[in-house]
Amino acid sequence: DAGVTQSPTHLIKTRGQQVTLRCSPKSGHDTVSWYQQALGQGPQFIFQYYEEEERQRGNFPDRFSGHQFPNYSSELNVNALLLGDSALYLCASSLGSRETQYFGPGTRLLVL
Amino acid sequence: AQSVTQPDIHITVSEGASLELRCNYSYGATPYLFWYVQSPGQGLQLLLKYFSGDTLVQGIKGFEAEFKRSQSSFNLRKPSVHWSDAAEYFCAVDRTNAGKSTFGDGTTLTVKP
Repeated sequence: DAGVTQSPTHLIKTRGQQVTLRCSPKSGHDTVSWYQQALGQGPQFIFQYYEEEERQRGNFPDRFSGHQFPNYSSELNVNALLLGDSALYLCASSLGSRETQYFGPGTRLLVL
Repeated sequence: AQSVTQPDIHITVSEGASLELRCNYSYGATPYLFWYVQSPGQGLQLLLKYFSGDTLVQGIKGFEAEFKRSQSSFNLRKPSVHWSDAAEYFCAVDRTNAGKSTFGDGTTLTVKP
């Protein structure tokens, strides 16, 4: 049974560019949450998707957007990249929002 | 707003010694509380969680945590640390258990042989 998978594992972009990160949830899970983990800090909640809709959102600007597909996989898009967007982006899936979250290994984004 | 403080940035213990990692939270009511472990290059793995009931919670890998309402604390303990426990540990709170967790900044655990 595959766990949560994320792609790519690493990514380098320059300021002003746009990036798309992908997440496949654990089999049977229907809820996907995204977190940003800056170096030396804990993860910060970006948003959560369920039934292809954004259900909850953290304190992140509109440059951060997402999507969930009918197969429950999800994408995180970040526009107009800033140096401060450099971080590890974690995806977590669960069966409903109130069940245990399982995290993927993350995508490390470096913005130059 | 809820917040989490992990006062110890880095802790070093000898293999076989006991371990306690501290976590304090700020929230008016009792939140849902979690401890996660993150090894290099890996995602977060849930060690244990507290929702209600018995204040001493048992988790995986021999870890336990105790919720103390009077101290707003949820400290993680292990009686005997193994070298494989070296990792970063995160405490998290969720006001409504809706998957919108607030994390502390983590404690890095080093295990000496």
